[in-house]
Amino acid sequence: AQSVAQPEDQVNVAEGNPLTVKCTYSVSGNPYLFWYVQYPNRGLQFLLKYITGDNLVKGSYGFEAEFNKSQTSFHLKKPSALVSDSALYFCAVRPRTGFQKLVFGTGTRLLVSP
Amino acid sequence: EPEVTQTPSHQVTQMGQEVILRCVPISNHLYFYWYRQILGQKVEFLVSFYNNEISEKSEIFDDQFSVERPDGSNFTLKIRSTKLEDSAMYFCASTPREGTEQYFGPGTRLTVT
Repeated sequence: AQSVAQPEDQVNVAEGNPLTVKCTYSVSGNPYLFWYVQYPNRGLQFLLKYITGDNLVKGSYGFEAEFNKSQTSFHLKKPSALVSDSALYFCAVRPRTGFQKLVFGTGTRLLVSP
Repeated sequence: EPEVTQTPSHQVTQMGQEVILRCVPISNHLYFYWYRQILGQKVEFLVSFYNNEISEKSEIFDDQFSVERPDGSNFTLKIRSTKLEDSAMYFCASTPREGTEQYFGPGTRLTVT
């Protein structure tokens, strides 16, 4: 069975500091990996994905994520946080075959203080 | 930029009533999904739909649920007899033929009283 773990319910960081939101996964094979962001009362916005190739992928709004196959992790990072980055972040996985469902983590609330 | 749209944004219904949630996926997309998010919990898969039939469904998607693509643009989720525990945000998503990520709509908040 596929599963995604986001071990932190909330991450607090000061504006201008680097941020990391952690994600580990348990999926057979080499899945596709995604990060989505959800702002209050809004839908899920796609941030970035890992398909293949370079382990560091870059996405929207200055976010990037590092894929680590040996640790089965896909941590979200940003070098310098903004207050406007405060939102709920979801890590998700899906198998490479077909167009199958996304399996989401429980989400991590990012709070960036001024 | 094309977007997935959903209507209504908020639906309030009484227990036992039927509801239909509507979605208009992005026009050239071929794969369609419904997910739900109970308040404060994670996003859960309900059903995927391709080539006018269900390709996968979760254990949540029981006989009370159905999906339909009645025309070339709409994709609907019907709940025949709503229960209190159906209260959640329901998200529609779609994927193009060659794509990988799913594009989500803004959601419909369903409140069952």
